[in-house]
Amino acid sequence: QVQLVQSGAEVKKPGASVKVSCKASGYTFTAYYIHWVRQAPGQGLEWMGWINPNNGGTNYAQEFQGWVTMTRDTSISTAYMELSRLTSDDTAVYYCARGSVALGTDIWGQGTMVTVSS
Amino acid sequence: EIVLTQSPGTLSLSPGERATLSCRASQSVSSSYLAWFQQKPGQAPRLLIYGASSRATGIPDRFSGSGSGTDFTLTISRLEPEDFAVYYCQQYGSSPITFGQGTRLEIK
Repeated sequence: QVQLVQSGAEVKKPGASVKVSCKASGYTFTAYYIHWVRQAPGQGLEWMGWINPNNGGTNYAQEFQGWVTMTRDTSISTAYMELSRLTSDDTAVYYCARGSVALGTDIWGQGTMVTVSS
Repeated sequence: EIVLTQSPGTLSLSPGERATLSCRASQSVSSSYLAWFQQKPGQAPRLLIYGASSRATGIPDRFSGSGSGTDFTLTISRLEPEDFAVYYCQQYGSSPITFGQGTRLEIK
């Protein structure tokens, strides 16, 4: 079946970087975008950007430009999201989601909890 | 940026009742690219409705979406116990993609 499986929980210190992976299966990886969305504890959903796995093109939300990097490895159908210069405000669950023009974000990963604490 | 405002913030209803959730956009949503998600504690959001009114795969027909332009509605015709959750609207027609702040549907 179509699914996205994310890497496990992370604990980082302020100022560090984190890299979260998202492995796709059950569909052609390069045919759909991968979006990244985060959710701080008890808060709503915040879109971070997308990557086009076909050509590596990206579109980042303005808030994250300069400190988020989205990449992919088509050989293993995996997308990555790296966030640098972490602060406590980056403590959140990070989700990847499959994207298309018509359906929007239809399939979501299980989420990766990132905790930033000294 | 399109701002989505959901109302009410919290909706208290009983199983079997009808739920009506609203999502208003600050400007017209392109091509009705408006989606609704359900989220339960500790789970990822689940797509219910896309294109304002199309049900996603496997979604029961008690869920329906309507609207266009700036005003959209999610209706749950007869609430089941498993429907009590937080609901988000999302517009994906223009960048940046944005979400509403959510409506919590709780058991009365």
